[in-house]
Amino acid sequence: AQSVAQPEDQVNVAEGNPLTVKCTYSVSGNPYLFWYVQYPNRGLQFLLKYITGDNLVKGSYGFEAEFNKSQTSFHLKKPSALVSDSALYFCAVTITGYSSASKIIFGSGTRLSIRP
Amino acid sequence: DVKVTQSSRYLVKRTGEKVFLECVQDMDHENMFWYRQDPGLGLRLIYFSYDVKMKEKGDIPEGYSVSREKKERFSLILESASTNQTSMYLCASRSASGANQPQHFGDGTRLSIL
Repeated sequence: AQSVAQPEDQVNVAEGNPLTVKCTYSVSGNPYLFWYVQYPNRGLQFLLKYITGDNLVKGSYGFEAEFNKSQTSFHLKKPSALVSDSALYFCAVTITGYSSASKIIFGSGTRLSIRP
Repeated sequence: DVKVTQSSRYLVKRTGEKVFLECVQDMDHENMFWYRQDPGLGLRLIYFSYDVKMKEKGDIPEGYSVSREKKERFSLILESASTNQTSMYLCASRSASGANQPQHFGDGTRLSIL
């Protein structure tokens, strides 16, 4: 079965330290990978995506993500965390080879908490 | 900037009522989606529409229907609301130019069924 896993429900980091939010996937075909962030009482906002090319992708708010094909992972990273990064983060995979009705699979989400 | 607007932020309805959730996008996107979000379960796709009057069931369509009469508007209908449909509902849109395009989300409707 095709799936996306975010193994940590919660990640706690001190402000100024690097952060990593993990994502692994199991899909057939070549995936397109996304990270979204959700602040309280808001919808999801797009952060970054991997389509092809460079394994390190840079996105909004200083975030980046590293695609690792052999480990089927797409971990979200930031060199120096801010308190304002505290939010819920979702990894998502779109399966290629479909028409516009492409299937999108979301992970269960990881709550990131940055302490001052 | 793409704007996806959901008509209500909070809604309280009674068991057995027919409930309408409305979503409008302003970027001429072909694809629109309805999800429900529950703690620990992430986002689960209820229905999506890849063009006007076209729809396809998602992972959890039971108890729901949808309507897409105009390109900008996608409605989710709870035919006979039940307490297990209490949830956060998120609408999203996306360009049909490819699966590599991100989705754009509304701010959600928190629906309580009493």
